[in-house]
Amino acid sequence: AQSVTQLDSQVPVFEEAPVELRCNYSSSVSVYLFWYVQYPNQGLQLLLKYLSGSTLVKGINGFEAEFNKSQTSFHLRKPSVHISDTAEYFCAVSVASRDDKIIFGKGTRLHILP
Amino acid sequence: NAGVTQTPKFRVLKTGQSMTLLCAQDMNHEYMYWYRQDPGMGLRLIHYSVGEGTTAKGEVPDGYNVSRLKKQNFLLGLESAAPSQTSVYFCASRINVAEPRFFGPGTRLTVL
Repeated sequence: AQSVTQLDSQVPVFEEAPVELRCNYSSSVSVYLFWYVQYPNQGLQLLLKYLSGSTLVKGINGFEAEFNKSQTSFHLRKPSVHISDTAEYFCAVSVASRDDKIIFGKGTRLHILP
Repeated sequence: NAGVTQTPKFRVLKTGQSMTLLCAQDMNHEYMYWYRQDPGMGLRLIHYSVGEGTTAKGEVPDGYNVSRLKKQNFLLGLESAAPSQTSVYFCASRINVAEPRFFGPGTRLTVL
């Protein structure tokens, strides 16, 4: 079975500072990895995904993530955050050949400090 | 193109009452999903459908039923609501397994 762990439930960051949101997964088979963002009172929206190929994945709004198979990690990064990045971020994993079911992490709430 | 819409946005029920949540998508998507989101729990899959007329159980199906009579609609029913079903419910859809899910705006349900 697959599982995903987001190590931080909340991350406070000053505006214009860099941020890294951590995500680790466990699986005995190949996986697809995703980051979703949920702005206040809205549904989830896909930030980026890793299916195969280059381990560095670029997404919307200046975010990127790096797939590290040896460390089973898929950390999300942004070099300079803005107030508008205030949201909850969810890492998710699914089995590569069967993407019917996706397992979500518990989420990391990003607080941008002025 | 409205995407994924959910009706209602908010609802308060008394224990034992029943209700149906409606999810509609106008993107001709085959796959549709119902999730619940609870604080500190992330999203958990309740039921899903891989096409019109099909449904399957997810991670937390107990106390819920679903129907997919039309391709564009996926209904989630609570026959006898319990306080443990207080949650925010999200519907999602996608065209196939190679594409990402599109999520609706959510329905906030409170069971007293």
